[in-house]
Amino acid sequence: GESVGLHLPTLSVQEGDNSIINCAYSNSASDYFIWYKQESGKGPQFIIDIRSNMDKRQGQRVTVLLNKTVKHLSLQIAATQPGDSAVYFCAEIPLMDTGRRALTFGSGTRLQVQP
Amino acid sequence: DAGVTQSPTHLIKTRGQHVTLRCSPISGHKSVSWYQQVLGQGPQFIFQYYEKEERGRGNFPDRFSARQFPNYSSELNVNALLLGDSALYLCASSLWSSGGETQYFGPGTRLLVL
Repeated sequence: GESVGLHLPTLSVQEGDNSIINCAYSNSASDYFIWYKQESGKGPQFIIDIRSNMDKRQGQRVTVLLNKTVKHLSLQIAATQPGDSAVYFCAEIPLMDTGRRALTFGSGTRLQVQP
Repeated sequence: DAGVTQSPTHLIKTRGQHVTLRCSPISGHKSVSWYQQVLGQGPQFIFQYYEKEERGRGNFPDRFSARQFPNYSSELNVNALLLGDSALYLCASSLWSSGGETQYFGPGTRLLVL
């Protein structure tokens, strides 16, 4: 079936640098996208979301970009900190006739922040 | 406000046994979803409930079942456990209303099947 995937399994950055995590999705019916952060032993934590009628959305130190033409998402983290070290997942919610609004996740990207 | 809570936090079972996992959603949230996360992978959708009705089911065998109660809490049941059922089971809640699809996750229940 269709799924969300990620380009890079591991990303290592220096503290203070900007990080960019990429994600490709394949379900053109998806109208809502979410980035989650998951630290070891914990559940996924909501970071930021974006709807398909938007190209960009900014939060505190994070920006999500959506390119529907090539079905690509990216998460940009400004001034990366050691506390940002975690696995990051993008997830999509396809609009389905059944009313189901379930998340489809990719395999994740591990972000390692070097002090 | 309390977030999504799950119990128990950890569980060890043997093959063939059954297990019941519990979830309490964020206050005011009417939808609960269950996901299975195998080590090193992203969560996989199992069930979604809204107002006590099943709204979606993922590609899991009939050994997996769930229900949602009038107070919107939920249980996930797994029968005839297999070694491959060892995973982190995550519960997520959402408002469900228009624009309220954001799902917030609990800490999960880590199940080990021996």
